[in-house]
Amino acid sequence: SQQGEEDPQALSIQEGENATMNCSYKTSINNLQWYRQNSGRGLVHLILIRSNEREKHSGRLRVTLDTSKKSSSLLITASRAADTASYFCATVQGAQKLVFGQGTRLTINP
Amino acid sequence: SAVISQKPSRDICQRGTSLTIQCQVDSQVTMMFWYRQQPGQSLTLIATANQGSEATYESGFVIDKFPISRPNLTFSTLTVSNMSPEDSSIYLCSVEREPMNTEAFFGQGTRLTVV
Repeated sequence: SQQGEEDPQALSIQEGENATMNCSYKTSINNLQWYRQNSGRGLVHLILIRSNEREKHSGRLRVTLDTSKKSSSLLITASRAADTASYFCATVQGAQKLVFGQGTRLTINP
Repeated sequence: SAVISQKPSRDICQRGTSLTIQCQVDSQVTMMFWYRQQPGQSLTLIATANQGSEATYESGFVIDKFPISRPNLTFSTLTVSNMSPEDSSIYLCSVEREPMNTEAFFGQGTRLTVV
C-alpha cells in the first residue's frame, strides 16, 4: 500500500520562482528519498536524507526532514522549464521495499 | 550507478494476449524489483525478483498473472498475462546497489496499452 502522502498533487509556477513539495509518511524510516519522473519515463534519484539528518542540499535542491512530524519537503529554487516533471518521495518499508508517495506534478511556465 | 536497459519501451497489445518485458542491468545485483504505474498514479511494487528463487509478490499480485524470471544476476523478465485494458500501465524495473541505504535505479519503463 502507498504510505506517502504528497501535497500539492499539482503545482504550476513561473520560471524563476521556487517550488516546494511536501511529503508525509506513517512509519519510522531509515531514510527518505526524492525522485523525479519526466513524462512517464523511468525515475531518477534526486536526493536521499537519512533519519538523523534534518536538512540536505544538492545544487538547487533543498530537502528537509522532520521525523517528529513524519514529514519532508523538497524545495527547488530558481525553477527552470526543464524542472517540469513529477516528483515522488519514497521510504523503505519492511525488507528492502521502497514505498512511493502519490507524487506532485510540477509545471514550470516560461 | 547502474545502467538498466528495459524493453520494449512501449507496446500496444490485444486483450487476451501476453507481453514479456525484459530488464538488463550492466552489473550484478542481488535483487530486482518490478513496479506498475497506472495512469496518473504512483508506483506500486509488483514483486521482488531474486536470482535462484521464486519471486516474492506483493498483495494483490499473483504469479499466474505476472510471472517473473530471474535466470542470472543481471537479467529479469516480467510477463503480463492474459491482458485486459485494466493492465494498461507503465511497468518499471528497478535495482538498488545497497538495499535500504542508497538510491534505486530505474529502467526507462514500458508503456503498455491494451486494446
